Amino acid sequence: SAVISQKPSRDICQRGTSLTIQCQVDSQVTMMFWYRQQPGQSLTLIATANQGSEATYESGFVIDKFPISRPNLTFSTLTVSNMSPEDSSIYLCSVEYLPSASGRSYNEQFFGPGTRLTVL
Amino acid sequence: DQQVKQNSPSLSVQEGRISILNCDYTNSMFDYFLWYKKYPAEGPTFLISISSIKDKNEDGRFTVFLNKSAKHLSLHIVPSQPGDSAVYFCAASARTSGTYKYIFGTGTRLKVLA
Repeated sequence: SAVISQKPSRDICQRGTSLTIQCQVDSQVTMMFWYRQQPGQSLTLIATANQGSEATYESGFVIDKFPISRPNLTFSTLTVSNMSPEDSSIYLCSVEYLPSASGRSYNEQFFGPGTRLTVL
Repeated sequence: DQQVKQNSPSLSVQEGRISILNCDYTNSMFDYFLWYKKYPAEGPTFLISISSIKDKNEDGRFTVFLNKSAKHLSLHIVPSQPGDSAVYFCAASARTSGTYKYIFGTGTRLKVLA
């Protein structure tokens, strides 16, 4: 399994400001993703972070609000821009590897510990 | 439109007994299903998965059953232990469609009573 770290682990921010969350993996991974879990809700995919190109956003999420970078195969950032209280959530990155030499076609995603964001 | 549903928000089970967590889905394109466990202040941890070519997958105390005709899967934990107390999420993906996207259910909070 992967060792995934996220910074910060939590933050309290003022309305209108921006926060950048970092995700670091201990090995090169094929895919990196950013999810959001709002209070009492399920995990919702925000976007797929593509190495060397623009992220692929899911319906309801846009680059201006959630700019994402992925400069290499082990690191990605998610910025939550112009925050409002509705952005209060847990933000999680996840990773997936290439299929292993065993021939498995499907792989599970591994999640980081999450960043708990509170916007006042 | 909730494509993956966990209709029981919570479940309490006595230690040593069986815990059964249920999940229903609506999209017939889903072909890969997973269960994750989440403790407070931690990210979800992968538990067990099953592809649509199977109807059962077992790993120690954890067994996942898939009923494709009913679009239903369940996670059985036997015997249940207090350390199993956590929120359990089921997730589904349509891998043969070329997507890595997971759709998650809303979770079931399991409490195992000592």
